Amino acid sequence: NAGVMQNPRHLVRRRGQEARLRCSPMKGHSHVYWYRQLPEEGLKFMVYLQKENIIDESGMPKERFSAEFPKEGPSILRIQQVVRGDSAAYFCASSATPVVMNTEAFFGQGTRLTVV
Amino acid sequence: SQKIEQNSEALNIQEGKTATLTCNYTNYSPAYLQWYRQDPGRGPVFLLLIRENEKEKRKERLKVTFDTTLKQSLFHITASQPADSATYLCALSSFSGAGSYQLTFGKGTKLSVIP
Repeated sequence: NAGVMQNPRHLVRRRGQEARLRCSPMKGHSHVYWYRQLPEEGLKFMVYLQKENIIDESGMPKERFSAEFPKEGPSILRIQQVVRGDSAAYFCASSATPVVMNTEAFFGQGTRLTVV
Repeated sequence: SQKIEQNSEALNIQEGKTATLTCNYTNYSPAYLQWYRQDPGRGPVFLLLIRENEKEKRKERLKVTFDTTLKQSLFHITASQPADSATYLCALSSFSGAGSYQLTFGKGTKLSVIP
């Protein structure tokens, strides 16, 4: 049973390009969360999705960022027109039930985005 | 405002001793608190969950306490080993204000166990 899979592990983009980060949750998990981690900072919640639905995107910047979790395939975090400040590690986590139900989250290894 | 504070950014300890990490929170009323381990370049790995009605929880060399009056959790590693060196994160559930509960993380404490 594979864990949460994220790809790519490392992504380099020039300013103004688009970045697409993929996350395949653990088998049987329908709840997906995206977090951003800046150097020397904690994990910051961005967005919570269930299959085909965005449940909570309160932590995501209003512009340039979007997320989806289609019926088939991985969850995608998309950053348009990247800027240097977007450079960070982006982690995806999945759970079998919502966090409110006292469940642990399983994290992927992250995608390290570098904007040059 | 809501805050989660972990006692120090870095903690050095001699092998074999007990490491104690602290997590304090303000303006939260979490139903539970979790501890994760994160190694450099890797994602966090779940270690323990403790509920608000539990005072203490143990798993092998790990022990977690949860004091909702003090708004504090202590994380202990007994008989520490160099392999325990990592960053330890505490996380608690909080209402995001947008209709769902999310895990909110502290910045972590980097533990170094010296042989």
